[in-house]
Amino acid sequence: DAKTTQPPSMDCAEGRAANLPCNHSTISGNEYVYWYRQIHSQGPQYIIHGLKNNETNEMASLIITEDRKSSTLILPHATLRDTAVYYCIVRGASQGGSEKLVFGKGMKLTVNP
Amino acid sequence: DAGITQSPRHKVTETGTPVTLRCHQTENHRYMYWYRQDPGHGLRLIHYSYGVKDTDKGEVSDGYSVSRSKTEDFLLTLESATSSQTSVYFCAIGGDSQNIQYFGAGTRLSVL
Repeated sequence: DAKTTQPPSMDCAEGRAANLPCNHSTISGNEYVYWYRQIHSQGPQYIIHGLKNNETNEMASLIITEDRKSSTLILPHATLRDTAVYYCIVRGASQGGSEKLVFGKGMKLTVNP
Repeated sequence: DAGITQSPRHKVTETGTPVTLRCHQTENHRYMYWYRQDPGHGLRLIHYSYGVKDTDKGEVSDGYSVSRSKTEDFLLTLESATSSQTSVYFCAIGGDSQNIQYFGAGTRLSVL
């Protein structure tokens, strides 16, 4: 899996947009960018993933640069419940699920009231 | 938690005793995984299964065995628990066409 780099932590005000960056300069053409988060004492939670186009779902938006070397996860209106460790993961899109998820250290997002 | 139940949620045991953790899914996913999470190491894959009776090792499989006799159940066994196996254990399911994994709530195991 390509290595990803995230800042260790970030603060955001409640109600504001949270923009979480991730660098993945060695990503290869068939690798996707996945985002997960882990709220304290809970299991990791899938958020969103994408290949090269921007993606949006009910939780977040994912913006991937044209060269695919970096991406940004956007939480449009952060709430206190979004406080968590966020993981940016790059992995192949092979069928079958045999590729394990490699969780790095992630980035701690703290949403402040 | 996407139809995943881990049991027990908490367990305290003594060194040298056998321990079995259970992961049960109601989603009929082909793949199931066991991870452990420790401070400073993040999540690490122990074993995974790609079907009934089909399993393979992850990066930290020593001291652990698994079994999958039914699609819905994936068991993790510590044959003789050691203090180094004190950890939080997460089960995940996945392997769909988009390779998304869904995680259970975790089992907190303390080996004294």
